[in-house]
Amino acid sequence: QKEVEQDPGPLSVPEGAIVSLNCTYSNSAFQYFMWYRQYSRKGPELLMYTYSSGNKEDGRFTAQVDKSSKYISLFIRDSQPSDSATYLCAMKGSNYQLIWGAGTKLIIKP
Amino acid sequence: GAGVSQSPRYKVAKRGRDVALRCDSISGHVTLYWYRQTLGQGSEVLTYSQSDAQRDKSGRPSGRFSAERPERSVSTLKIQRTEQGDSAVYLCASSPRGFWAGRGLYEQYFGPGTRLTVT
Repeated sequence: QKEVEQDPGPLSVPEGAIVSLNCTYSNSAFQYFMWYRQYSRKGPELLMYTYSSGNKEDGRFTAQVDKSSKYISLFIRDSQPSDSATYLCAMKGSNYQLIWGAGTKLIIKP
Repeated sequence: GAGVSQSPRYKVAKRGRDVALRCDSISGHVTLYWYRQTLGQGSEVLTYSQSDAQRDKSGRPSGRFSAERPERSVSTLKIQRTEQGDSAVYLCASSPRGFWAGRGLYEQYFGPGTRLTVT
């Protein structure tokens, strides 16, 4: 079993919809939780990071962490075609390394 | 300013050959990471180094992977005796912070990657 599970998708939604992206993890010691966005043929770029359980909002993006369930989510409001990308979750593992999800491919249809 | 760049962007190698991938990180950054990204599998860190203190993450996949840092902002990932399973995108990332610092983990700036195909 992978330490971080993430549905690869693709997830296809119409423009303007609310998008929900999720990851589950198995190691309760994981602390920092991050979401990256990766466009085709580009490297990942950090969208948001959180440390504790709860919600963190930044513009149209909301990151949610539920440590008791070992479940994290990224919500995108008023989705735009430019949001079409692969979204990767990542967490701080041991030895100061990131443990990554496989990434969910998101398609926003105009 | 200039971001992280990688070269070549695409590389085809015959199985058994050695390859070298280059990363030019952001000037002033102290920590440099190499990741391997495969479709459906996600990303795994291969090596990381901080300034002139080299630390390699050995183990998976094997000691065939190593990194050199001839200059502070330049790193070369070397893969010896390539295997078909090495076909992947190799990402380089740099951070202005040391890897002992928590923020160094997520304050990473990624290059566009090198897509390696082993035939």
